[in-house]
Amino acid sequence: DIQMTQSPSFLSASVGDRVTINCKASQNINKYLDWYQQKLGEAPKLLIYNTNSLHTAIPSRFSGSGSGTDFTLTISSLQPEDVATYFCFQHNSGYTFGAGTKLELK
Amino acid sequence: QVQLKESGPGLVQPSETLSLTCTVSGFSLTSNSVHWVRQPPGKGLEWMGIIRSGGSTDYNSALKSRLSISRDTSKSQVFLKMNSLQTEDTAIYYCTRRNYWGQGVMVTVSS
Repeated sequence: DIQMTQSPSFLSASVGDRVTINCKASQNINKYLDWYQQKLGEAPKLLIYNTNSLHTAIPSRFSGSGSGTDFTLTISSLQPEDVATYFCFQHNSGYTFGAGTKLELK
Repeated sequence: QVQLKESGPGLVQPSETLSLTCTVSGFSLTSNSVHWVRQPPGKGLEWMGIIRSGGSTDYNSALKSRLSISRDTSKSQVFLKMNSLQTEDTAIYYCTRRNYWGQGVMVTVSS
């Protein structure tokens, strides 16, 4: 089974900061990596699919990059409404979530 | 529009079987895969299994012996059955098409 190592587990940043969250796969997953945002008490919401494709109605401050085993979610300018937990999800070989990154405002 | 909605019992006794239904609208199960994902209180997401557009299934290896996913395309419903439930199976259970998610259903395993 493919393991996804997500880092950091916890992140504190200020409004306007550039924020990056990383996921590392235990083997090559090509481009098949999604990013989800989950706010407290809500279901997860798709942000980015297949590494770098922005889902419908997602603000352009969110972007994804990477290939193979190393992937990054970037928020270019953090907004208060971005406080949430973020998960990566690989769907290349089987299906696996990362453990999550809890993002809070400093 | 695309919608998924989970339903099922909120409380299950230990050692019993969990049965959940995901009712979908706005898309066809014969053209889309549906996953089940769960989330224990305060913890991360765990992928449980998938039923693909063609009807084939795939399961998390840790749950495979206890889990079954099926569907009724005429009713636009996907079913999850998991037996031998224990307290660690207490979680919110979601059905999802990856780009759309249900609201989730909280299942508590307790006597």
